Amino acid sequence: GQQLNQSPQSMFIQEGEDVSMNCTSSSIFNTWLWYKQDPGEGPVLLIALYKAGELTSNGRLTAQFGITRKDSFLNISASIPSDVGIYFCAGRATGNQFYFGTGTSLTVIP
Amino acid sequence: NAGVTQTPKFRVLKTGQSMTLLCAQDMNHEYMYWYRQDPGMGLRLIHYSVGEGTTAKGEVPDGYNVSRLKKQNFLLGLESAAPSQTSVYFCAATGTASYEQYFGPGTRLTVT
Repeated sequence: GQQLNQSPQSMFIQEGEDVSMNCTSSSIFNTWLWYKQDPGEGPVLLIALYKAGELTSNGRLTAQFGITRKDSFLNISASIPSDVGIYFCAGRATGNQFYFGTGTSLTVIP
Repeated sequence: NAGVTQTPKFRVLKTGQSMTLLCAQDMNHEYMYWYRQDPGMGLRLIHYSVGEGTTAKGEVPDGYNVSRLKKQNFLLGLESAAPSQTSVYFCAATGTASYEQYFGPGTRLTVT
């Protein structure tokens, strides 16, 4: 099955810093989703993207659907301790299946 | 509005035992999915369903069976559990209007 390349694998940042992560695919996608997962919990949907070039915000989070439709980016501004967790990207091509990245583990140092 | 719920939350099985995991959604979504999550592997699709009475294989279907007798429920069965099936299992539901996929809280299964 297809796995998306997500980077970085892990990040250690100071509280207040901005964070950037991205996902790339060898295939074109029609939908990109970004999730956050806390330990012992299910992934929680943060942002959904539907068009190439689309830029969507959810509070301090901003995500973009890449122009090539093969990548997506997530930025978190002014990080806070509760941002700690694992962030996943997911992409959907033309069918009903979603493909997931392996996650970016974010640690925020107070 | 509970979204997606899963039962049980935890389960320990001996090799060869069988069990069924239940997923329920109250969002009236057409599509439902079962994934497994293993360290360093991300989420892998086991089976999915595009509507009541339909099922399809995903990336890692061997050793699992599913049924979708009612639109709101999606069952995952293990007929003869193996240690390789130790994992965290997530159910998800997706609507056809937005393709936003919502996950349940997960079931942690250990097979000894």
